[in-house]
Amino acid sequence: NAGVTQTPKFRVLKTGQSMTLLCAQDMNHEYMYWYRQDPGMGLRLIHYSVGEGTTAKGEVPDGYNVSRLKKQNFLLGLESAAPSQTSVYFCASTYRLNYGYTFGSGTRLTVV
Amino acid sequence: RKEVEQDPGPFNVPEGATVAFNCTYSNSASQSFFWYRQDCRKEPKLLMSVYSSGNEDGRFTAQLNRASQYISLLIRDSKLSDSATYLCVAHSGGGADGLTFGKGTHLIIQP
Repeated sequence: NAGVTQTPKFRVLKTGQSMTLLCAQDMNHEYMYWYRQDPGMGLRLIHYSVGEGTTAKGEVPDGYNVSRLKKQNFLLGLESAAPSQTSVYFCASTYRLNYGYTFGSGTRLTVV
Repeated sequence: RKEVEQDPGPFNVPEGATVAFNCTYSNSASQSFFWYRQDCRKEPKLLMSVYSSGNEDGRFTAQLNRASQYISLLIRDSKLSDSATYLCVAHSGGGADGLTFGKGTHLIIQP
């Protein structure tokens, strides 16, 4: 049982490049989330999904897009990367809203 | 805006000591509470849920005070391996985006 798997683990992008971060969970969870974590800022919600085919904006959605075409996968896209998007990105999932989340191991992204 | 506030620390504590830290939450509608542990350069991991009656898991005890809107975590007989950042989390029980994370309290256990 792998839990929540994020790929890639590390990436360096040049300003203006695009990329997609993949989150996959094998726990049949309905709810999936993308967070970013920056020093001194804590975890901030980017986008989330309450089920296959649905997505919604979180606290800091600008510059990101998401898709959930399959229940087990939640993709985070950066269309035109900016240095301000340098961060650690965590994906999380849960099967009930008042239960704790399971996090992936994170993606460290640097935009130069 | 929903807020969860924590003392960032660091708390420097000798091995074997008891350490306690609190967090406060601003949303009185919050229904579920958690403590997460995050090691350096790792993902947050659920340490324990916090129940209204208080709950204990080995050396860890969590308490909830709804009247004062604060949550506490007590660690007894601290180990070197307890060194980490502890995140306080509240869930408003409303929408699917209802989890609010504190910024964490950094704990360092010294030999």
